[in-house]
Amino acid sequence: DTGVSQDPRHKITKRGQNVTFRCDPISEHNRLYWYRQTLGQGPEFLTYFQNEAQLEKSRLLSDRFSAERPKGSFSTLEIQRTEQGDSAMYLCASSLDRAGVTEAFFGQGTRLTVV
Amino acid sequence: ELKVEQNPLFLSMQEGKNYTIYCNYSTTSDRLYWYRQDPGKSLESLFVLLSNGAVKQEGRLMASLDTKARLSTLHITAAVHDLSATYFCAVVGVNTNAGKSTFGDGTTLTVKP
Repeated sequence: DTGVSQDPRHKITKRGQNVTFRCDPISEHNRLYWYRQTLGQGPEFLTYFQNEAQLEKSRLLSDRFSAERPKGSFSTLEIQRTEQGDSAMYLCASSLDRAGVTEAFFGQGTRLTVV
Repeated sequence: ELKVEQNPLFLSMQEGKNYTIYCNYSTTSDRLYWYRQDPGKSLESLFVLLSNGAVKQEGRLMASLDTKARLSTLHITAAVHDLSATYFCAVVGVNTNAGKSTFGDGTTLTVKP
């Protein structure tokens, strides 16, 4: 296990379709985060999990977005009824919840294009 | 609400020159990170700064943190073309877990021969 893995790397979808992305964190990491990055901007926090519990959701996460981490390992992010404004890079990161741990590690991202 | 502001947003410099990127943030912070991002790629961690006065150096890049001024700098020495990328600073609020960062909008650096 060499890092955070995301799948797919690229996704093109038609407006109105549903899409699902997967993130596999570093195996011993119990915290997992989703970010969204649009062109020319920094990543924006969407949500995070500690084990299987979703502990925080940003107001950016509309009701068309849902994230799960069913067994506290991999996570999925689903977008229903996609809109052109959903086009972005979706980044996943993971970290270990332990005193003295100072950073999270990012995956390669899934680039979504809604046409 | 924590806000992070970087400047400049775009920087074009000649090889061999020095320059500094600035990162200001609005509230007390536990940690500050610098990342590099190449076009279409994810984020590469460069530095983690944990305390006032922290200074870290790697190659031609040096980062520092002044928590009283709520300011971090990323100094580039004798720039080379390989440093062309977008650089982000990210800040974690006090008592906030390590992965929930607020990012600046990035500084896109282009180093010309």
